Amino acid sequence: KAGVTQTPRYLIKTRGQQVTLSCSPISGHRSVSWYQQTPGQGLQFLFEYFSETQRNKGNFPGRFSGRQFSNSRSEMNVSTLELGDSALYLCASSLDRGTTDTQYFGPGTRLTVL
Amino acid sequence: GENVEQHPSTLSVQEGDSAVIKCTYSDSASNYFPWYKQELGKGPQLIIDIRSNVGEKKDQRIAVTLNKTAKHFSLHITETQPEDSAVYFCATPNTGNQFYFGTGTSLTVIP
Repeated sequence: KAGVTQTPRYLIKTRGQQVTLSCSPISGHRSVSWYQQTPGQGLQFLFEYFSETQRNKGNFPGRFSGRQFSNSRSEMNVSTLELGDSALYLCASSLDRGTTDTQYFGPGTRLTVL
Repeated sequence: GENVEQHPSTLSVQEGDSAVIKCTYSDSASNYFPWYKQELGKGPQLIIDIRSNVGEKKDQRIAVTLNKTAKHFSLHITETQPEDSAVYFCATPNTGNQFYFGTGTSLTVIP
């Protein structure tokens, strides 16, 4: 079974621009979570989507948004990019059978904001 | 929310020795405790996990122990090899399936 895939793998943007990242979960997985990873803050939860609805949200500004499609694929968008948004953005998927299920991570998208 | 603390932040061991990484958590309702390994340029990979109904789980050279009373769980790697060098993260979710991660342990296995 194919793992979680994320595109693009690398991205360079300038301040003020916006960016869209994509995540395809493992086949059959219905929950998709997004994380930001930086050397200073570690892995921080952004949001989680299940059945096209945002079910959980972390403590990030409204510039960070996401959505999930009917096939469980998810996108996250960051508007008005700031230098501090440079990070590895990770997507994780899980089956979500009603109990806590294992999350499987993709390789991440490395975003650099200049 | 949940608070997960992980120690040590860096760990160097000689090849063949054992490595132990410990995490503590704050929410007594936590019931699932995975460990992830992250190599350079890759996403975290699940290496072992444990649920609250057991105290220990082993998979070859890797084991995880859980002490629910003390609210801590540990990763044990025996007979370490150079390919075990990576950053290891512990995690646990809240009741809303939001995962909280430790700050990571950079393990170096010296040949």
